[in-house]
Amino acid sequence: QQQVKQSPQSLIVQKGGISIINCAYENTAFDYFPWYQQFPGKGPALLIAIRPDVSEKKEGRFTISFNKSAKQFSLHIMDSQPGDSATYFCAPTFSGSARQLTFGSGTQLTVLP
Amino acid sequence: NAGVTQTPKFRVLKTGQSMTLLCAQDMNHEYMYWYRQDPGMGLRLIHYSVGEGTTAKGEVPDGYNVSRLKKQNFLLGLESAAPSQTSVYFCASSSLGAGVDEQYFGPGTRLTVT
Repeated sequence: QQQVKQSPQSLIVQKGGISIINCAYENTAFDYFPWYQQFPGKGPALLIAIRPDVSEKKEGRFTISFNKSAKQFSLHIMDSQPGDSATYFCAPTFSGSARQLTFGSGTQLTVLP
Repeated sequence: NAGVTQTPKFRVLKTGQSMTLLCAQDMNHEYMYWYRQDPGMGLRLIHYSVGEGTTAKGEVPDGYNVSRLKKQNFLLGLESAAPSQTSVYFCASSSLGAGVDEQYFGPGTRLTVT
C-alpha cells in the first residue's frame, strides 16, 4: 500500500526560480507533515513542517502549503539557490504511531547557477 | 554534543555472514528508529523502539533483529546477510515530548552484501 506519493521525481530549476514539490497521502490519521532535506552522503534533516490546523507555513524562502480536503501538501522554495540542490522527502506521521515517518520516494532538486 | 552517531560507516559482507550496526545518541531521546534507504524508494522503517528494553517491527523487519539495552544505544543485527540487504542504513532518534516531532538522523552506514 503506497500511502504517500511524491512528485516530481526530479526537478531542475534555474537559480532564482521557484521549486515546487508535491506530496499526496491516503492516511487521514496523519497529523504532522514534515519535509526532510538530504544532501549526498548525509542523513535526512528536518527542513520545515506543518500541522493540519493551518494551511500555510513560511520559514525564510521555504513554504509549506497544506490542503486537508485534498490530502495534499507541497513545498515551495522561493529564490532557489545552488545550495538548495538536494533530495527532498515528505514524511507525514501521526501521534499514535510512535511517530513513525512514512517517507515519499523523494525528489532530487538541482538548481543551476 | 555529537547527536546521532553510527558505526561502522561502510561494510562489505559475504552472503550468510552476520553483523551488528550500532547507533548511539546523546540527546536523551526516548524513541529510536532504524531505516533503510534504497534508490527511488525513500526510507523504509525496519524496527523502532519507544524506550529502553522495548522494540517493535516497522514496515520491512524480515531478516533483521534489534536490541535496546541502554537508552542511548540501538543495535541492528543481520543474522545471515543476503544481497537484498545491500542498502544504506540510517538510525534516527526523537524526543517523547508533546509537540516535539523532529527525528534526528545519523550519517548512515553503507552496507554491501556480495
